Amino acid sequence: DTEVTQTPKHLVMGMTNKKSLKCEQHMGHRAMYWYKQKAKKPPELMFVYSYEKLSINESVPSRFSPECPNSSLLNLHLHALQPEDSALYLCASSRGQGGNTIYFGEGSWLTVV
Amino acid sequence: AQSVAQPEDQVNVAEGNPLTVKCTYSVSGNPYLFWYVQYPNRGLQFLLKYITGDNLVKGSYGFEAEFNKSQTSFHLKKPSALVSDSALYFCAVRDIGKDDKIIFGKGTRLHILP
Repeated sequence: DTEVTQTPKHLVMGMTNKKSLKCEQHMGHRAMYWYKQKAKKPPELMFVYSYEKLSINESVPSRFSPECPNSSLLNLHLHALQPEDSALYLCASSRGQGGNTIYFGEGSWLTVV
Repeated sequence: AQSVAQPEDQVNVAEGNPLTVKCTYSVSGNPYLFWYVQYPNRGLQFLLKYITGDNLVKGSYGFEAEFNKSQTSFHLKKPSALVSDSALYFCAVRDIGKDDKIIFGKGTRLHILP
């Protein structure tokens, strides 16, 4: 079973709202990721958690705040976003960071109005 | 720094014909190479990977890829294309620089014509 579950599938939020994207995996993976993807472009890495500690932050603006409550869960807290932040947000996990295969969820479509 | 290139934005193939989606890489050391597919409005799905061993790697949905060290290529292939293979394909490589992470190519849109 290589399943990464993301909720919600679609989210529309205003620029003053606070919302969260959630991600869950039960594969025992110890690395979890957030990517941002614009239409017809490759996914861009945002954050990596390894063993529940933030390992990589790709200079993401502070209006995006990741959280890893435990080894199965990953959240992305959103606050004061801009319309240009509208995109598909993909969560992923792998057995460990580095050369292991990364498995993606179906994504959360975010629209900022 | 490690990098991966997909020279074609789009590839058109008639159904039933063989298909090839090209990928070249630049890495120091032994490469870890991956192919992913993305269907419309979906996440990325893992197809196959090369780390070591046989240069011909078989993956999901009848796809395979050939690792060619001398040409630094890892082209994705399928002997007989299906209309349902139409999707966006990403080649990726492990970057073991400052941060150990996966780098994706820009993607190639594959159109299978009925």
